[in-house]
Parts: sequence; C-alpha cells; structure tokens
Amino acid sequence: EVQLLESGGGLVQPGGSLRLSCVVSGFTFSTYVMTWVRQAPGKGLEWVSVISARDDSKYYADSVKGRFTISRDNSKNTVFLQMNSLRVEDTAVYYCARYNHYGLDVWGLGTTVTVSS
Amino acid sequence: DIQMTQSPSSLSASVGDRVTITCRASLGISNYLAWYQQKPGKPPKLLIYAASILQSGVPSRFSGSGSGTDFTLTISSLQPEDVASYYCQKYNTAPWTFGQGTKVEI
Repeated sequence: EVQLLESGGGLVQPGGSLRLSCVVSGFTFSTYVMTWVRQAPGKGLEWVSVISARDDSKYYADSVKGRFTISRDNSKNTVFLQMNSLRVEDTAVYYCARYNHYGLDVWGLGTTVTVSS
Repeated sequence: DIQMTQSPSSLSASVGDRVTITCRASLGISNYLAWYQQKPGKPPKLLIYAASILQSGVPSRFSGSGSGTDFTLTISSLQPEDVASYYCQKYNTAPWTFGQGTKVEI
C-alpha cells in the first residue's frame, strides 16, 4: 500500500525552527517528485515547495523562499522540510504529496505546525 | 507568477443538480491543470488531471474541461457525499499555485 507519513510538527515560538519529515512506503521513492503543501486554519491550500526525484531541482513559494529548505534522502525514503525564522502566518497543517507527472496523486495525513508566543 | 482564480467561492445546490466550478489562469497553462476534492479534516484527493482526465476510481459524474486559461469542473448530478471543498491547481511550472477553493454544500 502506498503511504506517506508526516511528522515533526508542533508548537514553536516566532523566529524558531522546525524540521518536518515525510516517510513514504509502497512505491519507488527515488523516481518521484515530491512536494509540500500547507493549509492554514480555515483557509485554502497553499503550495510550499517541490523537489525533483534526483534532488537536482528545488522550488519554493515566495512566502517561504529564503526561510524554508526542502531536501530528500532517497536511501531512507524520506523528504524533509526545514523551516527557519518561523512566523505566525506559517501556522498550518503541512502535507507532503507525491507528484505523478499529472498532479498530486498521493497525500499524507498532514502534520500541524503552530507558531505562537 | 501565474494566478489561479476560482469561482464561485461557495455554492449551495440540491441533490441531483448539475454543478459547475470555474478556474481561470492569468496566463495560458495548456492543460496542466488538476482538480482536487477535500473533505473536512482530510487531505485533498486528486479528481482530475490534465484538465479533463478522470483519476482512477473517481465517479463518472465528475468531469473537467478547458485548456489555456479557462477550465471547468462539473458534477453532473450532485450527491450528498460530494459536499466538500474543491481546488484547482496548475502544475506546468513552479509555483504550482492552487485556486482559492470552492465550498460545495447541499
């Protein structure tokens, strides 16, 4: 069964850091582009970042550029999102998702990040 | 960056009604458009990709159309289980922007 499992969320003060992880199973991780999408409470979906299968291309939303870093470890079937200089407006559920050349076809259940003093 | 504008932001319809949601890109994106359904407390689910191709397992009452800048998601006969929010997303180039979403109620 194809599965994505996020972890690493929690409560952090403004200016703090968190590292999210997404462990996948059930497919050949190293051949897929992976992405992070977030959803603030009561709001819509916001695309955050994407990383190529071979880790040679990365892109970010303007709202997180320079503060967030996406990475992956294909030996551990894991994609990461390092989040620094966190702001209140980064509070959201963070989902990782698999890109299958035509859209995001598999999603994790999400991990909640709360930025508050 | 290309902006994605969805309308309406919400709608209420009756069971059996035909429902149409539109998504407009500020510049052409060919057919690099996907539609997602999200129910409360759940992750999104891919419904349609390449603007008009139904994802496996999705009921045939869902359909998509369009190319370039104007796209449509249609539910031919609204069912109670279709109560959800629906989002379009472009994926031709980064950023892979989502539309603002449409909340569908009965």
